[in-house]
Formats: sequence, structure tokens, C-alpha cells
Amino acid sequence: DTEVTQTPKHLVMGMTNKKSLKCEQHMGHRAMYWYKQKAKKPPELMFVYSYEKLSINESVPSRFSPECPNSSLLNLHLHALQPEDSALYLCASSQGLGLADQRNRNLKQYFGPGTRLTVT
Amino acid sequence: KQEVTQIPAALSVPEGENLVLNCSFTDSAIYNLQWFRQDPGKGLTSLLLIQSSQREQTSGRLNASLDKSSGRSTLYIAASQPGDSATYLCAVRHPGAYNTDKLIFGTGTRLQVFP
Repeated sequence: DTEVTQTPKHLVMGMTNKKSLKCEQHMGHRAMYWYKQKAKKPPELMFVYSYEKLSINESVPSRFSPECPNSSLLNLHLHALQPEDSALYLCASSQGLGLADQRNRNLKQYFGPGTRLTVT
Repeated sequence: KQEVTQIPAALSVPEGENLVLNCSFTDSAIYNLQWFRQDPGKGLTSLLLIQSSQREQTSGRLNASLDKSSGRSTLYIAASQPGDSATYLCAVRHPGAYNTDKLIFGTGTRLQVFP
């Protein structure tokens, strides 16, 4: 099973709402990622988790709050978003990263189908 | 700062043509380069991954080459088909401090193959 799943597929939320995006993989991968992709632009990295610990935060506003409850799950909690946060949010996983996993640097990242988020 | 660009930005060709998509990066200190395909509104599908020590990788009608010293990669698509229509993205795995290496994506090439 080389699949990364994401729910929901589409989400419309108001600026005062609280919602969560979910990502799941069962490939035994220990690195998981959140990306944001605006229309006709490449994906931009937001967060990286390695062995359930936050490894990279690309200076993302605090209205986005990631969580990795276990090695298979990755959540992105959303609160008080702005209309400009509307985008496709992509989750990805890979077998590992970091100096301790140098051999894993040549393994692929597997992406989920994304959640299309609209903030009204 | 690593920057990745792709040319052309868009390409429209008749079915059956052989295609070359280009990717260039400014910092040659990469671990690998990966080519992805993205259909409109969908996630990314990995096509090929070339390690920094490799020169090329092949999968079916696709061939990707890497010249790390000059900061260039090409994706060659043989005998293009309408089903190949999508956006093609290249991404380099760029080293950082411990646990911070990451993929940096190119600007993408939107390909349309018409019958």
C-alpha cells in the first residue's frame, strides 16, 4: 500500500471557524509533511515531522497548528484563517530524513490527493 | 538560497511528438531530484527520482537526466499522448542542518497534448 489519504477532499470555512485537516499513511514512513499550494504555483513546504516530532516550521502563522498523534497520522488544525489562506493543502510522507537516516534521503516522497480549502 | 525554475512554463503539442521539459537549479549541492506529475486540482504523482550520483533514470516512455554540476535536469517524454496532459514539476532535495533537508519545487510546466 503506497497510498497517502487525506480528509476531507473539500472544506469551506468561515474566518471564525475551527476545523482540522487529516492525513494518514500505512507505509511505515517516519517523516510526514504539510504543503500549501496556491493556484498555478508550486507546493510550498509548511511543516515537517520526523519520528512524530516537529522538525521544520517554515515560519507558518500560528493560525495553522500541526499535530502528529502517532506515526501514521498527521493533522493540521485551522483557526481564524484569512481568505488568502484558501489553497490546496497537500500531505506527504517519506521513509525518513535527517543525518541518522542518510540512506533514506534517496527515497521518494509520496503525496496525498490534497484538501481544497476555501475560506469565506 | 536554492531556486528551481522550469522552462517552458506551458507547452501545447500534437499527439505523437517527443518532448523535452527543462529544470534548472542554482545550488548544485543536492541529494536528489524528483519529477512529479500533477493533474488539475489533484495531488502529486512521483514519476522518477534521480540520485545525485546518477546521470539518468528511465520509466516506460519517460527518461530523466541530471547534470548536477551545471544545475540542470531534463525530462524526456517519448511519443506523447493526450493522457500525458498535466503539470510537470521538478523538485530538488536540498540539504539543511540536522533534520531540515527538504524538497524545493520548480515553477512547473503545463503540458497539453491534443489528438
